[in-house]
Amino acid sequence: KAGVTQTPRYLIKTRGQQVTLSCSPISGHRSVSWYQQTPGQGLQFLFEYFSETQRNKGNFPGRFSGRQFSNSRSEMNVSTLELGDSALYLCASSLARLAGYNEQFFGPGTRLTVL
Amino acid sequence: DQQVKQNSPSLSVQEGRISILNCDYTNSMFDYFLWYKKYPAEGPTFLISISSIKDKNEDGRFTVFLNKSAKHLSLHIVPSQPGDSAVYFCAASDGGSSNTGKLIFGQGTTLQVKP
Repeated sequence: KAGVTQTPRYLIKTRGQQVTLSCSPISGHRSVSWYQQTPGQGLQFLFEYFSETQRNKGNFPGRFSGRQFSNSRSEMNVSTLELGDSALYLCASSLARLAGYNEQFFGPGTRLTVL
Repeated sequence: DQQVKQNSPSLSVQEGRISILNCDYTNSMFDYFLWYKKYPAEGPTFLISISSIKDKNEDGRFTVFLNKSAKHLSLHIVPSQPGDSAVYFCAASDGGSSNTGKLIFGQGTTLQVKP
């Protein structure tokens, strides 16, 4: 079974631009979560989507947004990029079974550099 | 307010010996804990998890111990192998049955296993 895929793997943008990152979950997984990893803050939760609805949100400004499509694929968008948005953006998917905990499986990430 | 803490940024052990990675948490509502391993330029890989109703979970060379009264968990790797050299993240969830896909991560511990 194919793992979580993320595109693009690397991206360079300039301040003020916007960017869209894509994530395809493992087949059958219905939940997609996004995380930001920076050297100073570590791995921080951005938001989670389930059945095309945002189910949970972390403490990030409104410039960070996302959506999920009917096939569970997800995109996240960052508008008006700032230098501090340079990070590794990770997507994780899980089965989202109703009972028990659902482990999250991560993609390789998208490395975003803002100049 | 860091709810999950890995106080040792790095650990070095000899091949064949035991590696013990530690993690402390502050939120008593956390009900599920996970360990991930991460290599550079890759996403975190799920290793092992434990529910708060257990105090030990074992999977091959990896064992996780949970001490709820001390709000402490540890990952034991026995025997350690050079391929285990990576960054290890402890993560926690308070999703319970709602399972909202939000993980809180520690800052990570870099493990080096010397041949």
